[in-house]
Amino acid sequence: EPEVTQTPSHQVTQMGQEVILRCVPISNHLYFYWYRQILGQKVEFLVSFYNNEISEKSEIFDDQFSVERPDGSNFTLKIRSTKLEDSAMYFCASSAGFNEKLFFGSGTQLSVL
Amino acid sequence: DQQVKQNSPSLSVQEGRISILNCDYTNSMFDYFLWYKKYPAEGPTFLISISSIKDKNEDGRFTVFLNKSAKHLSLHIVPSQPGDSAVYFCAARDNSGGSNYKLTFGKGTLLTVNP
Repeated sequence: EPEVTQTPSHQVTQMGQEVILRCVPISNHLYFYWYRQILGQKVEFLVSFYNNEISEKSEIFDDQFSVERPDGSNFTLKIRSTKLEDSAMYFCASSAGFNEKLFFGSGTQLSVL
Repeated sequence: DQQVKQNSPSLSVQEGRISILNCDYTNSMFDYFLWYKKYPAEGPTFLISISSIKDKNEDGRFTVFLNKSAKHLSLHIVPSQPGDSAVYFCAARDNSGGSNYKLTFGKGTLLTVNP
């Protein structure tokens, strides 16, 4: 079964550093998402992306965050200057259509020290 | 802002018995509900969904019930198997406009099925 792949599985960074989390969505999917889960809390929506632009974003997704689809296969989340509170598991997801179910990757555990 | 609530952080069930996982929501504009299962070190995996125009959806051992007047849904697993042990997330989508793409998740319920 096709799957969403995320790299790296773990990322440790110093506060203030930039990080890029990478995702390869399922190849024929058109909608792409980033979610995150802070330890012990619920999975939270960050951003959705369709047709090469952000379609929706949450209050969490401020100016420090950006997303990009640099080529036909990758989908990246960049955090420009990481903060301690950005430490979380970040999940990439994709879907074939607007109202289709989301397929999630295994996540990248980001630790900001 | 807990629009989707899973009030039981954990549930323990004997193999072969029924597991019932509950979810409550507050946003009356939610019109589509999903259950996801998550094993450690993996991403959430879609399990079953239900549209607000229905009150029941069944897929093998999994059945989701929706009570719109009570703003409550439940996931029934019958019979429960040890491999069902995982965290179960309830999620909902609001298609009323302005928020069409995101899923709102509950905090999850850890289900343990004992052999």
